[in-house]
Amino acid sequence: DAGVIQSPRHEVTEMGQEVTLRCKPISGHNSLFWYRQTMMRGLELLIYFNNNVPIDDSGMPEDRFSAKMPNASFSTLKIQPSEPRDSAVYFCASRGRSGVPSGANVLTFGAGSRLTVL
Amino acid sequence: AQSVTQLDSQVPVFEEAPVELRCNYSSSVSVYLFWYVQYPNQGLQLLLKYLSGSTLVESINGFEAEFNKSQTSFHLRKPSVHISDTAEYFCAVSDIGTGGFKTIFGAGTRLFVKA
Repeated sequence: DAGVIQSPRHEVTEMGQEVTLRCKPISGHNSLFWYRQTMMRGLELLIYFNNNVPIDDSGMPEDRFSAKMPNASFSTLKIQPSEPRDSAVYFCASRGRSGVPSGANVLTFGAGSRLTVL
Repeated sequence: AQSVTQLDSQVPVFEEAPVELRCNYSSSVSVYLFWYVQYPNQGLQLLLKYLSGSTLVESINGFEAEFNKSQTSFHLRKPSVHISDTAEYFCAVSDIGTGGFKTIFGAGTRLFVKA
């Protein structure tokens, strides 16, 4: 398995532009997480999907952020309009089914998408 | 709600010296505990986990962590570090009661191994 695939790896954009980050989870995993990492705030959970359904989006900072998971193999995180304070590394992670001992609650992370908003 | 506190933001240590990275958590229910490692410009990787059973868990590269329920701690140790262990280490907790859907991470500890 190629692991969790994120694209783009780096994105530089100007304030006000729309940004779309993409994630392909590990095949067979039924949970997907979006995290944001900054020096000031560390790793923050933005939103979590289970079986393609958003379960908890309480970490999404504001209405400019939205996330979708149209099927089990693809998710997007969109920021519209983007602002300089959105600059961060955005990680996608997936997890196998709960209750499976070997994979219980273990997250597999992608390499991240580094976003810079000028 | 769970929370995780990593007591040291940076730990410098000489090669071949022992190291301990401290982690305390709080939760009103039983938890799973994890240590993840992040190398520069990479995502986080699982280092080791405690789910149940023996309170001492080990990784394949010589790290170990001990779950101490009375002190709500899960400190990470290695008896002799290598330059290649330089990375950021994150302690994490998942709440068993809700199926562990939410994994909360500590702020991270940056380990610098010096020659």
